Amino acid sequence: QKEVEQDPGPLSVPEGAIVSLNCTYSNSAFQYFMWYRQYSRKGPELLMYTYSSGNKEDGRFTAQVDKSSKYISLFIRDSQPSDSATYLCAMSLNQAGTALIFGKGTTLSVSS
Amino acid sequence: ETGVTQTPRHLVMGMTNKKSLKCEQHLGHNAMYWYKQSAKKPLELMFVYSLEERVENNSVPSRFSPECPNSSHLFLHLHTLQPEDSALYLCASSQVGGANEKLFFGSGTQLSVL
Repeated sequence: QKEVEQDPGPLSVPEGAIVSLNCTYSNSAFQYFMWYRQYSRKGPELLMYTYSSGNKEDGRFTAQVDKSSKYISLFIRDSQPSDSATYLCAMSLNQAGTALIFGKGTTLSVSS
Repeated sequence: ETGVTQTPRHLVMGMTNKKSLKCEQHLGHNAMYWYKQSAKKPLELMFVYSLEERVENNSVPSRFSPECPNSSHLFLHLHTLQPEDSALYLCASSQVGGANEKLFFGSGTQLSVL
């Protein structure tokens, strides 16, 4: 079983839709959970950062962590064409940048 | 200049060539990384220089050789590469010992090995 599983998609939605992106993981010791957004021909940029369980909201974006199910989600409300990108989940045992384990990324396309 | 800059953006090389990728960070960070991003695969950490010390990664072939002359600059020297080495090579930096060690990425070098 891979450490981090993420459906690569692609996922296509109309503008204004609610988008749900998910990752599952196998290592119950992971404590730090992140979502990166990567536009075409660009490097990943940190979108959301969560420690342990619970929800975190930032504008149209909500990150959820369910450690009991080893499942994390990113919700995008009122999706816009500018949200079209690849979304990478990442997680680690500690805060060290060297310890990050990434998912493969989900490609999202929002049509106007 | 802001953030993390990488040059060149694109590189095509033959299997017998020698080339180098360059990365520069303008964030005052003390750790720099090389990642490999292949299609349909997770980001793969290749090398780390943390507090100017290299962290070894024994799984990376010796045809990739990193160099970190100071905390702001990072190079990846390439020689006798294979076609399967074609990928996006990303540089990143972070602040070790900070409140959290978030990674900041450059835009990458898209490498094609013929």
